[in-house]
Amino acid sequence: GQQVMQIPQYQHVQEGEDFTTYCNSSTTLSNIQWYKQRPGGHPVFLIQLVKSGEVKKQKRLTFQFGEAKKNSSLHITATQTTDVGTYFCAGQGSGGYQKVTFGTGTKLQVIP
Amino acid sequence: DTAVSQTPKYLVTQMGNDKSIKCEQNLGHDTMYWYKQDSKKFLKIMFSYNNKELIINETVPNRFSPKSPDKAHLNLHINSLELGDSAVYFCASSQQGNRIRETQYFGPGTRLLVL
Repeated sequence: GQQVMQIPQYQHVQEGEDFTTYCNSSTTLSNIQWYKQRPGGHPVFLIQLVKSGEVKKQKRLTFQFGEAKKNSSLHITATQTTDVGTYFCAGQGSGGYQKVTFGTGTKLQVIP
Repeated sequence: DTAVSQTPKYLVTQMGNDKSIKCEQNLGHDTMYWYKQDSKKFLKIMFSYNNKELIINETVPNRFSPKSPDKAHLNLHINSLELGDSAVYFCASSQQGNRIRETQYFGPGTRLLVL
């Protein structure tokens, strides 16, 4: 079945440093979504990427979808303590009905 | 107004007991899901219902039985609870679930601890 892996599993950064998490799928995806889960909270939708090579920005967050539609990345510039949480990518397969498979997640800790 | 709600928020119980978790969404969505999140934060889908019909049933023990009385509700009943069932269970919903590009809305989670 479809597998979605994320690296790194954990990341500690000093406040103000940049952060990147990478997402890799075993199969080609029709789209990829990113979610953020704050400590003790629930996953919250951030963004969706659909087109090959697509890049989207939300303030300090930059999301990219690979050309082959099998990988994606989330880059945060100048991290803040409010960025703390676990970031999940979620990939949906192509062709007919395909469930969304969540990645393994990257837990970000920001040291003030 | 809470979009996706779950009860209870916390559940502490003894091994071997039977328990239920309830989920309701007021978004008018057709599809609802149950996820299990373990201590390592891995988020695994368990079940998905579309308009009260089961469409996804991952390899989950038979002790777990979902029930959808209507498309706004999806409950999870667990028989003979085991220590390994301790986790956070999230309910989620999406508009149709059978189309691509569907955003999922998660409930606050139910923290289950089996002693």
